[in-house]
Amino acid sequence: GENVEQHPSTLSVQEGDSAVIKCTYSDSASNYFPWYKQELGKRPQLIIDIRSNVGEKKDQRIAVTLNKTAKHFSLHITETQPEDSAVYFCAASGTSYGKLTFGQGTILTVHP
Amino acid sequence: GAVVSQHPSRVICKSGTSVKIECRSLDFQATTMFWYRQFPKQSLMLMATSNEGSKATYEQGVEKDKFLINHASLTLSTLTVTSAHPEDSSFYICSANLAGTGELFFGEGSRLTVL
Repeated sequence: GENVEQHPSTLSVQEGDSAVIKCTYSDSASNYFPWYKQELGKRPQLIIDIRSNVGEKKDQRIAVTLNKTAKHFSLHITETQPEDSAVYFCAASGTSYGKLTFGQGTILTVHP
Repeated sequence: GAVVSQHPSRVICKSGTSVKIECRSLDFQATTMFWYRQFPKQSLMLMATSNEGSKATYEQGVEKDKFLINHASLTLSTLTVTSAHPEDSSFYICSANLAGTGELFFGEGSRLTVL
């Protein structure tokens, strides 16, 4: 089955700095890669996603890059704000929509 | 976006009892729903895939007789934790995907505490 590795497990930045979280996956058949933000005790919220036919996608301060050859994808958050502090999860899925394999999560802390 | 609602949000029960959690897609039909479990400070782990009108598909290591899943309609899936024990205490989250998009929508989650 699919295996997703996520790094780092914790990330601390100053407000205004950029944050980068990286994930690797094992199944070359995976074709959908979402990123979720989860606040304590709440449901994961989709913040951005990318499909395997695209190398990069951007939405305001958030961007995701995908390298299919190397089987890794990254989340980039620019101009971080304290409200960006949360746990971020990457995930991957293949042809079975919705059957996501999640990374271990990254606790992002943005200091004012 | 599509809305998935989960109930109850919190439940406390005694060891040995059974607890039912409901997951509803409010504004779309979901032939498939997914049940995840999340222990404190850990990631989401897929437990099973709930299929409308047929048996659920369980992930390796998940006891199907302990975690009963019923998906009787296109908008409702239920997870019943039978003979709950303290080690079953966790955050259970359901999800459904909007057909043709692959995007997954999560319920609010249900925090189960077994005393």
